[in-house]
Amino acid sequence: ETGVTQTPRHLVMGMTNKKSLKCEQHLGHNAMYWYKQSAKKPLELMFVYSLEERVENNSVPSRFSPECPNSSHLFLHLHTLQPEDSALYLCASSQEAAHLYTDTQYFGPGTRLTVL
Amino acid sequence: DQQVKQNSPSLSVQEGRISILNCDYTNSMFDYFLWYKKYPAEGPTFLISISSIKDKNEDGRFTVFLNKSVKHLSLHIVPSQPGDSAVYFCAASGGSNYKLTFGKGTLLTVNP
Repeated sequence: ETGVTQTPRHLVMGMTNKKSLKCEQHLGHNAMYWYKQSAKKPLELMFVYSLEERVENNSVPSRFSPECPNSSHLFLHLHTLQPEDSALYLCASSQEAAHLYTDTQYFGPGTRLTVL
Repeated sequence: DQQVKQNSPSLSVQEGRISILNCDYTNSMFDYFLWYKKYPAEGPTFLISISSIKDKNEDGRFTVFLNKSVKHLSLHIVPSQPGDSAVYFCAASGGSNYKLTFGKGTLLTVNP
């Protein structure tokens, strides 16, 4: 596979469930990102990892827990979510950790999450 | 407070004509601007960017214009093709805030 892949593509979960979103990039990049896109809202940056270290936590509630075990994989662990957390969750990667805002970000197709 | 605004949720254009997508920003610290295109069921893909030291950047059928005095940028697509039909996002970053700030997007429909 090439580019940035995300699994699952669709997820429905109850508020008491625990689930994880997975992102994998095959581009040899050093930085990875989680974004949230709610209905009729802009993409919002959630987390940034640079060389497997978290460099940004954009005031995200603790019910979202990211994990970056290596530069190719990024997870978003979900627990006790709320219905308002229903959204499209997008993963992205970019080449150089040192140029987080000038390097092009490559996005995965997203996971459509519904919290009941 | 939205720092990047795309005031037109949708735009419809005839094939072969020019498409003009607009974006306004409020943060004077922004110095790098990008356009992303998104097809349904796919992630956004990078289209074109411009640094604040320029006022125009061209790549094939796509040209981005930046007017810093009024904090406005636009994306011109000419000639428009049906395959250009997608949602177009404007994004900006700069200053101490390196994060990309996105607009809500504009749905472009190019009719054959």
